[in-house]
Amino acid sequence: RKEVEQDPGPFNVPEGATVAFNCTYSNSASQSFFWYRQDCRKEPKLLMSVYSSGNEDGRFTAQLNRASQYISLLIRDSKLSDSATYLCVVKGTGGFKTIFGAGTRLFVKA
Amino acid sequence: GAVVSQHPSWVICKSGTSVKIECRSLDFQATTMFWYRQFPKQSLMLMATSNEGSKATYEQGVEKDKFLINHASLTLSTLTVTSAHPEDSSFYICSASSGSIEETQYFGPGTRLLVL
Repeated sequence: RKEVEQDPGPFNVPEGATVAFNCTYSNSASQSFFWYRQDCRKEPKLLMSVYSSGNEDGRFTAQLNRASQYISLLIRDSKLSDSATYLCVVKGTGGFKTIFGAGTRLFVKA
Repeated sequence: GAVVSQHPSWVICKSGTSVKIECRSLDFQATTMFWYRQFPKQSLMLMATSNEGSKATYEQGVEKDKFLINHASLTLSTLTVTSAHPEDSSFYICSASSGSIEETQYFGPGTRLLVL
């Protein structure tokens, strides 16, 4: 089993749609969780951190479920510019090792 | 957010040559820097973690004699791909962190290496 797993997609949605991604992680000792966005042929950029209490940033909402060991990202009112690959990132112990998921590709179409 | 630069952004070289990639944190002190490699349509794979002033920690399967990492200061880490071969062609990305597990990693723009 991979340490961090994501549905690779692609998710093809129309503008204005709501779309949700899930990510599961295997190490229960994981401590920090993030969602990054990566555009084609570019470096990943931090989208948001994920907390147990859930956090929201505009159209984006992230949730963490430690009991079930998954995190989620919800995008409301999708824009064309949201088209990208969304990477789930988990940080654990042992030298702050960071594990990236393989990413979920999102295409938002007009 | 913090700024991390990488140089060069593109490298094309002949097989057998060595290539050095620089990663700089421009507005903060990076006690920890990470080097990743990403092949087309695949996720980032951590190659090594380097802490300023100490030897890098390499991930399993990454040859430390082939991928030389130096983290001589709090703002600069270098990755040297020695005796590059076509299979080393990839997108190399560095990231920098102030070191705390809670701290965000900031990524450089990446370096595309093509070995002919």
